[in-house]
Amino acid sequence: AQSVAQPEDQVNVAEGNPLTVKCTYSVSGNPYLFWYVQYPNRGLQFLLKYITGDNLVKGSYGFEAEFNKSQTSFHLKKPSALVSDSALYFCAVRDRGSNSGYALNFGKGTSLLVTP
Amino acid sequence: ETGVTQTPRHLVMGMTNKKSLKCEQHLGHNAMYWYKQSAKKPLELMFVYSLEERVENNSVPSRFSPECPNSSHLFLHLHTLQPEDSALYLCASSPGPVNTEAFFGQGTRLTVV
Repeated sequence: AQSVAQPEDQVNVAEGNPLTVKCTYSVSGNPYLFWYVQYPNRGLQFLLKYITGDNLVKGSYGFEAEFNKSQTSFHLKKPSALVSDSALYFCAVRDRGSNSGYALNFGKGTSLLVTP
Repeated sequence: ETGVTQTPRHLVMGMTNKKSLKCEQHLGHNAMYWYKQSAKKPLELMFVYSLEERVENNSVPSRFSPECPNSSHLFLHLHTLQPEDSALYLCASSPGPVNTEAFFGQGTRLTVV
């Protein structure tokens, strides 16, 4: 079985400050990990993914995420938040060794609010 | 835009109506998906098609019926829905399975009255 946990329903941060959105996962094997962002009344947009290689992954709009196998985490980070980063963020996982299917398992999402 | 187009964007239907949601992708992808997004809940995978064959069906009630006539089009046929079926229905596509990211449409906001 594979699952994702996003422990925070909402994260508040002031513009210009660093932000972190947390994600932990559970898979029986090794994971493929993804972050998506959703703006109001829109579909999900892909931000970044970890497949293999460097644990620090860089993605769109200045976001990055660090894969930590020992802590089974894949937290999303950005050094300096913008008001326009305010949105809903989803972490997703797939077990690369699984025969459970094609699609990703998503967390329930974390709402990020960046205040001026 | 992501290359995945969903129509209509909004739909209000009665419990006795029959309607269909449409999804079209112009990305040459082989896999297409239907997800249901309800408030405060994780995205729920409903159906997966790969090369026009259904490969996953996650215990979805029969009042939801998918159709994939070709690799570019995906439909979700709706009949005798319940108010709790009101949600945002998202279509997605991906080049293939496993390590590829999915590209999502903007969704259809469905309200069942």
